[in-house]
Amino acid sequence: QVQLVQSGAEAKKPGASVRVSCKASGYTFTTFGLSWVRQAPGQGLEWMGWISAYNGDTKDAQNFQDRVTMTTDTSTSTAYMELRSLRSDDTAVYYCARDAIAARPGWFDAWGQGTLVTVSS
Amino acid sequence: DIQMTQSPSTLSASVGDRVTITCRASQSISGWLAWYQQEPGKAPKLLIYDASSLASGVPSRFSGSGSGTELTLTISSLQPDDFATYYCQQYNSYPWTFGQGTKVEIK
Repeated sequence: QVQLVQSGAEAKKPGASVRVSCKASGYTFTTFGLSWVRQAPGQGLEWMGWISAYNGDTKDAQNFQDRVTMTTDTSTSTAYMELRSLRSDDTAVYYCARDAIAARPGWFDAWGQGTLVTVSS
Repeated sequence: DIQMTQSPSTLSASVGDRVTITCRASQSISGWLAWYQQEPGKAPKLLIYDASSLASGVPSRFSGSGSGTELTLTISSLQPDDFATYYCQQYNSYPWTFGQGTKVEIK
């Protein structure tokens, strides 16, 4: 079955960077794109960006364009999201989510378990 | 960016009730909309895609309808497992955007 397993919780200081990983299994990694979605405590879902696991193409949300880098390692079927210049309002649970249809970004049929990133001095 | 506005924000209902949640888009999204259910402390779960297609394994009491700027999620007979928060998500154009969520509470 499709599984996305994310790295563990992180505690960071303002100004630092964080990298969250998302290891995929149960399907051919390069066939489906992945998005990153975050959720601040008690808040809704916010889409951050998308990466093609096939060729590395990305789409970023304007809010994060200058601070986020999404990459993939096809040898380990792992996606990464790095967020730089962290602020307190970046405190959130970060999810990776898989496109439901190959070569058709849109909705998500599988999600990672989430990674809590806490930013505090 | 396309703004997605859900209503109501909170909904109190009883087991067996018919429940409808509306998602309004700031511009037409055709039928490029998904609905998710999220329980506390868990990742979202896909319910509906392409506005009205039921995701695999999702009970038939869930249905979606609408197109353009007004789309709805209906639960025909609310069950105990359905008390959760529901989000719509548009994928008509980047950036993908979500509604702010609708919490379905026990009345």
